[in-house]
Amino acid sequence: NAGVTQTPKFQVLKTGQSMTLQCAQDMNHNSMYWYRQDPGMGLRLIYYSASEGTTDKGEVPNGYNVSRLNKREFSLRLESAAPSQTSVYFCASSESRASYNSPLHFGNGTRLTVT
Amino acid sequence: AQKVTQAQTEISVVEKEDVTLDCVYETRDTTYYLFWYKQPPSGELVFLIRRNSFDEQNEISGRYSWNFQKSTSSFNFTITASQVVDSAVYFCALRNRGSTLGRLYFGRGTQLTVWP
Repeated sequence: NAGVTQTPKFQVLKTGQSMTLQCAQDMNHNSMYWYRQDPGMGLRLIYYSASEGTTDKGEVPNGYNVSRLNKREFSLRLESAAPSQTSVYFCASSESRASYNSPLHFGNGTRLTVT
Repeated sequence: AQKVTQAQTEISVVEKEDVTLDCVYETRDTTYYLFWYKQPPSGELVFLIRRNSFDEQNEISGRYSWNFQKSTSSFNFTITASQVVDSAVYFCALRNRGSTLGRLYFGRGTQLTVWP
């Protein structure tokens, strides 16, 4: 049981380049999330998907787009990378939104550097 | 407004000492859930515990214990007889019953270093 799998683990981009971070979960969870982690800032929500075909903006959505391809996969796209997007990105999943006590299960993160 | 405050940015202890990590939260909801996560140097986020607002019983799991006090809006985490492997960043998080996104609000984390 792999849980939440993120690719790639590391990435270096130049300003203006684009890339897609991939995330897949095998726990049959309905809800999926993208967070970014910056030093001293904790984790901040970028986008959220309650179910296949639905997405919602989180706290810091600017500069990002997402796609909930199916129940398993939730990708995050940077169309034109900026140095301010240098961060560690975490994908997470949880059971239905109605299960408020269900914890989030996180992937291992993607460390992105934009030069 | 929802907010989680972890006032201790960094804590250093020597192995076998007890250490308490503080977490104070703010919410207007009467139903909410609190979580602790551990992030070891390898970087992954590991779920440790959850507690709902109606259950104020303290919990003990091995060397770990959690003290939930609604009167002070705190959910503190104590490690007894700390070990080097406990070195990590620890995050406290809050989820409200009424949250439309089902999101977790995270504190900024406490970096715990346990020296041999």
